[in-house]
Amino acid sequence: AQSVTQLGSHVSVSEGALVLLRCNYSSSVPPYLFWYVQYPNQGLQLLLKYTTGATLVKGINGFEAEFKKSETSFHLTKPSAHMSDAAEYFCAVSLLRDRGSTLGRLYFGRGTQLTVWP
Amino acid sequence: KAGVTQTPRYLIKTRGQQVTLSCSPISGHRSVSWYQQTPGQGLQFLFEYFSETQRNKGNFPGRFSGRQFSNSRSEMNVSTLELGDSALYLCASSLGQPTTNEKLFFGSGTQLSVL
Repeated sequence: AQSVTQLGSHVSVSEGALVLLRCNYSSSVPPYLFWYVQYPNQGLQLLLKYTTGATLVKGINGFEAEFKKSETSFHLTKPSAHMSDAAEYFCAVSLLRDRGSTLGRLYFGRGTQLTVWP
Repeated sequence: KAGVTQTPRYLIKTRGQQVTLSCSPISGHRSVSWYQQTPGQGLQFLFEYFSETQRNKGNFPGRFSGRQFSNSRSEMNVSTLELGDSALYLCASSLGQPTTNEKLFFGSGTQLSVL
């Protein structure tokens, strides 16, 4: 079975502070991992993804995430938060390597709402 | 290049009615997936279509159905609407190839309210 757990449904930081959003997964096969961001009344935008190779992945808007197989984690970080980062963030898993699976089917975590205080 | 387009943006229906939502994928994309987003259940996969064929299906009742046309545009239909069907329905498109370069692009969604 595959699942995604995002620790903390709400995270608040001050502008300029470190952002850390946690994601742990369970998967029957080596997963592909994703972080998406959703702004109010909008769809999901891909921040970054891990498929193979380097375990530290850099994404858009200064975000990065590190795949740690031993910890089954894929935490999202940003060194300095900006007001425009306030949004909901979703971690997702794809079993693309699994026979019969496709990228179209993602398993999402419940999301973390990030608030940035001035 | 235009993004994924979903219509309508908002929809209000009453219980027992049926509804059809439309999704136009990014040009060249052959895979279209549908997701339901609710505060209680989060994001849940409905189904995926590729080249007019349903390739994958989530755990939803038969009232939820979909189809894809030869131009890759997709529609999803919900019959006999229930209050619990109120949700944001998101469509996503991709090339549909199982490669590491694949990316999933989402539309802005259709907000369905069932009264």
